[in-house]
Amino acid sequence: SYELTQPPSVSVSPGQTASITCSGDKLGNKYACWYQQKPGQSPVLVIHQDTKRPSGIPERFSGSNSGNTATLTISGTQAMDEADYYCQAWDSSTVVFGGGTKLTVL
Amino acid sequence: QLQLQESGPGLVKPSETLSLTCTVSGGSIGSSGYYWGWIRQPPGMGLEWIGNIYYGGGTHYNPSLKSRVTTSVDTSKNQFSLKLSSVTASDTAVYYCARGLVAGNTGYYFDYWGQGTLVTVSS
Repeated sequence: SYELTQPPSVSVSPGQTASITCSGDKLGNKYACWYQQKPGQSPVLVIHQDTKRPSGIPERFSGSNSGNTATLTISGTQAMDEADYYCQAWDSSTVVFGGGTKLTVL
Repeated sequence: QLQLQESGPGLVKPSETLSLTCTVSGGSIGSSGYYWGWIRQPPGMGLEWIGNIYYGGGTHYNPSLKSRVTTSVDTSKNQFSLKLSSVTASDTAVYYCARGLVAGNTGYYFDYWGQGTLVTVSS
């Protein structure tokens, strides 16, 4: 079965750039998306189709996907961006989530 | 604005069947191009996809749960449902319903999510 691997945690200082990676076999040949989940809340889609931001998502969120790695980048990270982030892909008609990355802004 | 709301028992006994319904408002469940999905999250853990259903009845399930999962759609009520049989304590989780879209031939994502409902499996 297809697997997506994320680092368990990433730390960033306010105002700096945070990068969260998601690795999977030939992931660059598929579309990746990203969700943000804050404690006690439902996940929110922040990036779909590798690079597209849904309406209402700040421009500081961006994505890329090439080779075996998709990356979520948060530029000018704010305290409100502290959350868990999950990547997700689609393989053989099954939805696969990464294990999640806890982003700490300190 | 599309809204999804999960409903169902918060407590299920081991070996019994977990049943949840998701009610969709602000849009039609029969709209072409949209799938309707179930995702769960055990306490303190990550997201796990359960399955998707299309309004026409086509389904895809997580292989690890497939033998125990059934989903259905009721377009007259704008609802879709999940049944998970033979539950154990490991099925304790927050269960989310969500709207899914296929992107080209290689992508799929959930753009609207319900608030989630905690289901505890315990005697």
